Amino acid sequence: QKEVEQNSGPLSVPEGAIASLNCTYSDRGSQSFFWYRQYSGKSPELIMFIYSNGDKEDGRFTAQLNKASQYVSLLIRDSQPSDSATYLCGSSSASKIIFGSGTRLSIRP
Amino acid sequence: DADVTQTPRNRITKTGKRIMLECSQTKGHDRMYWYRQDPGLGLRLIYYSFDVKDINKGEISDGYSVSRQAQAKFSLSLESAIPNQTALYFCATSDYGTGGGYTFGSGTRLTVV
Repeated sequence: QKEVEQNSGPLSVPEGAIASLNCTYSDRGSQSFFWYRQYSGKSPELIMFIYSNGDKEDGRFTAQLNKASQYVSLLIRDSQPSDSATYLCGSSSASKIIFGSGTRLSIRP
Repeated sequence: DADVTQTPRNRITKTGKRIMLECSQTKGHDRMYWYRQDPGLGLRLIYYSFDVKDINKGEISDGYSVSRQAQAKFSLSLESAIPNQTALYFCATSDYGTGGGYTFGSGTRLTVV
């Protein structure tokens, strides 16, 4: 069974700090990796995708991929209250995404 | 207008009833997917389709069927609804490959009583 594992949280981070979200995957054939943000009762929205080892930055967000360790992470700098949500990690193989169960992030004032 | 539209948004149905959830998209994407989301279990793939003539089972297809009526339309049916099919259902689309990820619909909250 191909799996994507995330710590369910909740992860509590003070406003303005860096939030670090982690994810591991089991399928070495996975080609692309995704981070989605989901507010309660809403649909997931894509934040970042990455397919090469290393870091990819987009504004306050940085995705990191280490294929040797089968590890993906998302860093959120200068955390804001609006970042409070559930973050879903996904890995793609054969054009299908397998998602982790999500990490709930709470930004405290 | 939304790129991926799901109907209905909410539905309560009785055990044993047949119900259809509909999804239509204006993105021109070939690939369409149905997922269900349960608290603590994340998103699980039910069925997916890479074009009108292609239908594939996902990890939890039992009790469900699908129809790809056109490139833009992909419907999910519960043949005989049961309470453990109570969940939030999402339709998603993607272009060739998933380098850009999915675009999700707004979801259908289904309750089976």
